[in-house]
Amino acid sequence: ETGVTQTPRHLVMGMTNKKSLKCEQHLGHNAMYWYKQSAKKPLELMFVYSLEERVENNSVPSRFSPECPNSSHLFLHLHTLQPEDSALYLCASSPKGRNSYNEQFFGPGTRLTVL
Amino acid sequence: ELKVEQNPLFLSMQEGKNYTIYCNYSTTSDRLYWYRQDPGKSLESLFVLLSNGAVKQEGRLMASLDTKARLSTLHITAAVHDLSATYFCAVEFGKLVFGKGTKLTVNP
Repeated sequence: ETGVTQTPRHLVMGMTNKKSLKCEQHLGHNAMYWYKQSAKKPLELMFVYSLEERVENNSVPSRFSPECPNSSHLFLHLHTLQPEDSALYLCASSPKGRNSYNEQFFGPGTRLTVL
Repeated sequence: ELKVEQNPLFLSMQEGKNYTIYCNYSTTSDRLYWYRQDPGKSLESLFVLLSNGAVKQEGRLMASLDTKARLSTLHITAAVHDLSATYFCAVEFGKLVFGKGTKLTVNP
């Protein structure tokens, strides 16, 4: 247990569905992250939130929409996904916020399958 | 371009043997992290290396950092089956840039 939880752990959705992934951290951290992990690819950083402000968006398609209502919660809203979006989506948090990203603690991930 | 390269990407070794995983990176940084990932699980932080010459050890694993050579090593001593996992290095360039991972299999 790292203190970062994610729900659901598994998700199967059609290309026309809308779903959301949820992440919650109980570590008092100020920064939260979404990563995508696909087979045979390095871990890809998608979004970074620092002190509830989005500070990084790595050219992620608009069908992925993050939301950070407070420093403990992070969502990833999904709509009209493609089969190539099937992957493990990992949430992480770290103690520091803006301009400094130190050790990150990862949640268990959501295994997403898009049919 | 920021690059982090690990080698080997796959490593099969026998119990009791020693081996080293290498992590090279392209741009100056003095912060490097090692993570472990078991199949179907998340990433677990192993080591945080924050300066040139840093060396950390935990059980059969030892990590070191040479910032001048832009190189970190993860040394495995007398491997046991429980060490089988994928090991990632990540270098901090304002954000973490991960290597592709080294899948380690320790055979009896």
